[in-house]
Amino acid sequence: AQSVAQPEDQVNVAEGNPLTVKCTYSVSGNPYLFWYVQYPNRGLQFLLKYITGDNLVKGSYGFEAEFNKSQTSFHLKKPSALVSDSALYFCAVSPGNTGFQKLVFGTGTRLLVSP
Amino acid sequence: DARVTQTPRDKVTEMGQEVTMRCQPILGHNTVFWYRQTMKQGLELLAYFRNRAPLDDSGMPKDRFSAEMPDATLATLKIQPSEPRDSAVYFCASGLVPPGTEAFFGQGTRLTVV
Repeated sequence: AQSVAQPEDQVNVAEGNPLTVKCTYSVSGNPYLFWYVQYPNRGLQFLLKYITGDNLVKGSYGFEAEFNKSQTSFHLKKPSALVSDSALYFCAVSPGNTGFQKLVFGTGTRLLVSP
Repeated sequence: DARVTQTPRDKVTEMGQEVTMRCQPILGHNTVFWYRQTMKQGLELLAYFRNRAPLDDSGMPKDRFSAEMPDATLATLKIQPSEPRDSAVYFCASGLVPPGTEAFFGQGTRLTVV
């Protein structure tokens, strides 16, 4: 069965500093990997995805993520954090060999960017 | 601007009552997911459909929950009878095969069972 681990409940970073939100996964075959963001009282919004190709993927709002197959990781990064980036971030995985099915999410990491 | 629409946005009901949550997926999307979000369990996948057929509902308590897609524009999640432990935010999401397409989420239905 597939699973996602987000080891940090919360990440604190000062505005202007780089941020990293960690994600590791377990899935049979090649994974499809996703990052979503959730603002208070809202649904999840798609940020970026890795399907195949370049290990570094770029997404919305200046976010990027690096796929590392050997470490089974897909960490979310941003070179310079904004206060408005403060939100709940979810990593998700779907098994690539069976197509777009059973999208499983991690427990989420709360990002707090201080002014 | 295509979006997933969920109704109602908020629902307060008494224990034992039937609750029906509705979802209108994005037109043309052929995969629909139902998730439940709680502080304790995070985002749990309850069920998902492909071309209106249920592919997996193993995450759903079978005795009280049911999910259906009467047609391509409507997905429903019913709880009968509802219990206080069902209080959560329920999200619907839709997506499109071919593989790797991201899922688009609705705003959610906040259910409170008293």
